[in-house]
Amino acid sequence: DIQMTQSPSSLSASVGDRVTITCRASQSITTYLNWYLQKPGKAPKLLIYAASNLQSGVPSRFSGSGSGTDFTLTISSLQPEDFATYYCQHSYRSQFTFGQGTKLEIK
Amino acid sequence: EVQLVESGGGLVQPGGSLRLSCVASGFTFSDNWMHWVRQAPGKGLVWVSRINSDGSATDYADSVKGRFTISRDNAKNTLYLQMSSLRAEDTAVYYCARDPGPGGADYWGQGTLVTVSS
Repeated sequence: DIQMTQSPSSLSASVGDRVTITCRASQSITTYLNWYLQKPGKAPKLLIYAASNLQSGVPSRFSGSGSGTDFTLTISSLQPEDFATYYCQHSYRSQFTFGQGTKLEIK
Repeated sequence: EVQLVESGGGLVQPGGSLRLSCVASGFTFSDNWMHWVRQAPGKGLVWVSRINSDGSATDYADSVKGRFTISRDNAKNTLYLQMSSLRAEDTAVYYCARDPGPGGADYWGQGTLVTVSS
């Protein structure tokens, strides 16, 4: 099975900061990589699909890049509503493993 | 408006069974793959299972293979998860989610809590 490893596990930042979260797959998943945001008590929300495609309705400050095994999610200018937990997930072949999550907190 | 509404969660003893349902509305259910994803209290997201649009192909996480069965009734716009031989570690909120194809799950239900305890 393909393992997904996110870093960092937690991150403190301020409103207006530029933030990058990374996700590494244990083997190549080409661009079958998705990013989600989750707030406490709520269902996850899809931000980026297929590594770099912005989901409809998601602000343009979110962007994704990468291919193969290494991927990044970048938030260009943090807003108060962005403080949440972020997950990567691969959708390569028959398994859809999530990363362990990155908790983004206010500094 | 796309809606996914899960039901069927509750308290069950170890070794017991439970069937979750997810009723879909606001889109053509039979055109979409569907997933079940779970989240134990205070923990991260864990993918459980997925089914293709006509129900002919299914996949499972290793942790539930042989114990859980995903199915769908496209005439009723409903997704199911039959869970058996339940263990304490199956305790979680279970979400159903729509997978339209390009990648990722774009709509999620509100979740239903399954608690496995004696």
